[in-house]
Amino acid sequence: AQTVTQSQPEMSVQEAETVTLSCTYDTSESDYYLFWYKQPPSRQMILVIRQEAYKQQNATENRFSVNFQKAAKSFSLKISDSQLGDAAMYFCAYKQGGSEKLVFGKGTKLTVNP
Amino acid sequence: DSGVTQTPKHLITATGQRVTLRCSPRSGDLSVYWYQQSLDQGLQFLIQYYNGEERAKGNILERFSAQQFPDLHSELNLSSLELGDSALYFCASSVDIGWETQYFGPGTRLLVL
Repeated sequence: AQTVTQSQPEMSVQEAETVTLSCTYDTSESDYYLFWYKQPPSRQMILVIRQEAYKQQNATENRFSVNFQKAAKSFSLKISDSQLGDAAMYFCAYKQGGSEKLVFGKGTKLTVNP
Repeated sequence: DSGVTQTPKHLITATGQRVTLRCSPRSGDLSVYWYQQSLDQGLQFLIQYYNGEERAKGNILERFSAQQFPDLHSELNLSSLELGDSALYFCASSVDIGWETQYFGPGTRLLVL
């Protein structure tokens, strides 16, 4: 079964600085998708960014970008110019091609210090 | 706001009882997914419906069941509730199946006393 590991239970960053959240996954499949979701204190799950495994180019969404290392099965999230509103739990998720379910990591709690 | 709605937001009930959680997907989305988020198990996939038909099953207990109606809203029924069923239950929806991104609703927080 596929597994997703987030090795950093908690991270902190100063406002306006850059932070990188780590995620590794275990799969023998070649067709899959990776996601980062954000869960603020409101508990809403918000999609931050997605990456298709067949794409070599790293996905970016404004201040959010990923470093996708397929051979290493690593999918880290970089947040640039951190803002107070970025404070949340961040979940890395894996979805195998042809499967319907998302497999989530345990999450990383990000604190942004003013 | 993802466009996925869930009711109720909060639910407090007693052990042994039965509850129904409701989800309305985004306009145009045919696929609905249910997830459970608990402190010990994290986020786990329960079940998926596509256009009224069950499509995939995850770690869903036999005491739990779901359905998707012709108007595409979905209900998750939880019966013979136990203390351990206390969790945040999310509904997500996507346009289609396969690679489509899942958009999550705000969740229903269930507390079983």
